[in-house]
Amino acid sequence: ETGVTQSPTHLIKTRGQQVTLRCSSQSGHNTVSWYQQALGQGPQFIFQYYREEENGRGNFPPRFSGLQFPNYSSELNVNALELDDSALYLCASSLPDTGIYGYTFGSGTRLTVV
Amino acid sequence: SQQGEEDPQALSIQEGENATMNCSYKTSINNLQWYRQNSGRGLVHLILIRSNEREKHSGRLRVTLDTSKKSSSLLITASRAADTASYFCATDAGGNNRLAFGKGNQVVVIP
Repeated sequence: ETGVTQSPTHLIKTRGQQVTLRCSSQSGHNTVSWYQQALGQGPQFIFQYYREEENGRGNFPPRFSGLQFPNYSSELNVNALELDDSALYLCASSLPDTGIYGYTFGSGTRLTVV
Repeated sequence: SQQGEEDPQALSIQEGENATMNCSYKTSINNLQWYRQNSGRGLVHLILIRSNEREKHSGRLRVTLDTSKKSSSLLITASRAADTASYFCATDAGGNNRLAFGKGNQVVVIP
């Protein structure tokens, strides 16, 4: 299967709850990155996973955590949801050397916190 | 931290016209990439230009990079209604495993 697949596509959660978002990377890509995109803004880097370990983190609190599995798929977990967490969450997969082909993004999960 | 900043932020043109968007950044980069986003969905990679390149073409797209001015431009020639989207530039500093995105350019192509 080619391309990056994210699930679910839409999600509504209540403030204080926890959420798990999932991402299947493009075939052959062993690196997964997560981005948060607020309405009307550019995506902001959350973190990256390579070989099942966190490999760089943006300016996000510890309640944002992730996992990468042996098949390179990944999860983004957010605890104690806040209203400001409402955003489009994008997953991107890549090869370690992104200087040639760049990143392949999924269609995103739109999270609404009420 | 470096961040792309596009200018202008909104552009409305007639089908067949050319659309030009600019992007500036603040620190040294390994490469700069342009992405398209339709209706708030996923990003589609358009083109990547390395720091040692000055110009690159891909179909109707032309990207330039001026590292001395820390700026880039994206030109879409002979625009089509299907080009209506938001366009983002993103810088890759290399070694820090992340892209830094600008706020995006909304382009509307009127049929």
